[in-house]
Amino acid sequence: EDQVTQSPEALRLQEGESSSLNCSYTVSGLRGLFWYRQDPGKGPEFLFTLYSAGEEKEKERLKATLTKKESFLHITAPKPEDSATYLCAVGNSGYSTLTFGKGTMLLVSP
Amino acid sequence: EAQVTQNPRYLITVTGKKLTVTCSQNMNHEYMSWYRQDPGLGLRQIYYSMNVEVTDKGDVPEGYKVSRKEKRNFPLILESPSPNQTSLYFCASSKGVNTEAFFGQGTRLTVV
Repeated sequence: EDQVTQSPEALRLQEGESSSLNCSYTVSGLRGLFWYRQDPGKGPEFLFTLYSAGEEKEKERLKATLTKKESFLHITAPKPEDSATYLCAVGNSGYSTLTFGKGTMLLVSP
Repeated sequence: EAQVTQNPRYLITVTGKKLTVTCSQNMNHEYMSWYRQDPGLGLRQIYYSMNVEVTDKGDVPEGYKVSRKEKRNFPLILESPSPNQTSLYFCASSKGVNTEAFFGQGTRLTVV
């Protein structure tokens, strides 16, 4: 059974204070690791897909990296508008479903 | 504008009264799915569809039905809702299961 564990559950940062969110996974045949952002009361919004270990992708203040066991979402010099819940999900080569982690709730204070 | 549209956004109903939550996408995506999101449990997949007339169970299918008669529509049916189905529901669509998914705005369902 695929498992996705995100840590920490919640993170509070000061504006400009860089940090990283972790997504640890176990999956038999990774077909893709996904990061989404979710604002309160809204549907998740796609950020990145990573397909193989060593891959990195960047978007503004966010950078996602992937190893064989985990992925990190690095947030550089965050702003209050980066406050949201960040979700990680994995796709399995043997199944047609995605498994989501429970998310990390990020709060960036001015 | 590319979008996934769910209706209704909010719904309060009584135990046992059949209801349907509609989902429509305008991106010609083949893969569509339904999730429920509960505090402490995260997003869990209910049903998914690889294409028209092809549907399959996700992780938590009990008490739900779906149909995919047209590519753009994927309704979620609760034939006899119970209070444990009170949740926030999301519909999503994508080109394939391992590609970027677009989510709807969500339907907050309360069963009393």
